[in-house]
Amino acid sequence: NAGVTQTPKFQVLKTGQSMTLQCAQDMNHEYMSWYRQDPGMGLRLIHYSVGAGITDQGEVPNGYNVSRSTTEDFPLRLLSAAPSQTSVYFCASNGPGFTYEQYFGPGTRLTVT
Amino acid sequence: KNQVEQSPQSLIILEGKNCTLQCNYTVSPFSNLRWYKQDTGRGPVSLTIMTFSENTKSNGRYTATLDADTKQSSLHITASQLSDSASYICVVRRESGTYKYIFGTGTRLKVLA
Repeated sequence: NAGVTQTPKFQVLKTGQSMTLQCAQDMNHEYMSWYRQDPGMGLRLIHYSVGAGITDQGEVPNGYNVSRSTTEDFPLRLLSAAPSQTSVYFCASNGPGFTYEQYFGPGTRLTVT
Repeated sequence: KNQVEQSPQSLIILEGKNCTLQCNYTVSPFSNLRWYKQDTGRGPVSLTIMTFSENTKSNGRYTATLDADTKQSSLHITASQLSDSASYICVVRRESGTYKYIFGTGTRLKVLA
């Protein structure tokens, strides 16, 4: 199993540009999430999904869109990049139970200039 | 307010020494507490998951404790190795609510030869 994969690893955008961060998992997990990690702060939830076709907002959803057309894929779209979106983005997936382990991808480091 | 606080923020120890990291939380309703290890430039990896009824749980040289009454947890690392250099993140999972995983800001551990 590859686990959770993310692409790209690094990305630099200019303010106003749009892009999609890719996330895929091969563990047949229903639950998938996107987080951002900023210095001095804990990971913060952007959007999450409890299954194909079902998504919902997390703690910091503004400026981001998601969709979940398949169990495996959960892309994150930045609509119009802003410097405040400079961060490291992690995708995660987990099974349905309370004690299911949450698996994280390797992250995407995004810089918006 | 649901919060997870970790101490110390950073720690430097010599190889072979032991250390203990602390986690205090004010999260409810409590489901379980997790410790993650995050190497630089990588995603977090789960070390332990502890439920309400578990006081101690070990994973090799890592031993986590949980006191659900005082809402405190600790992660003890025995006979540290250079590869233990990483950030250690405490995460509390809620039993209900939108933001189920509440992340601490982490303790950055550096092990010196």
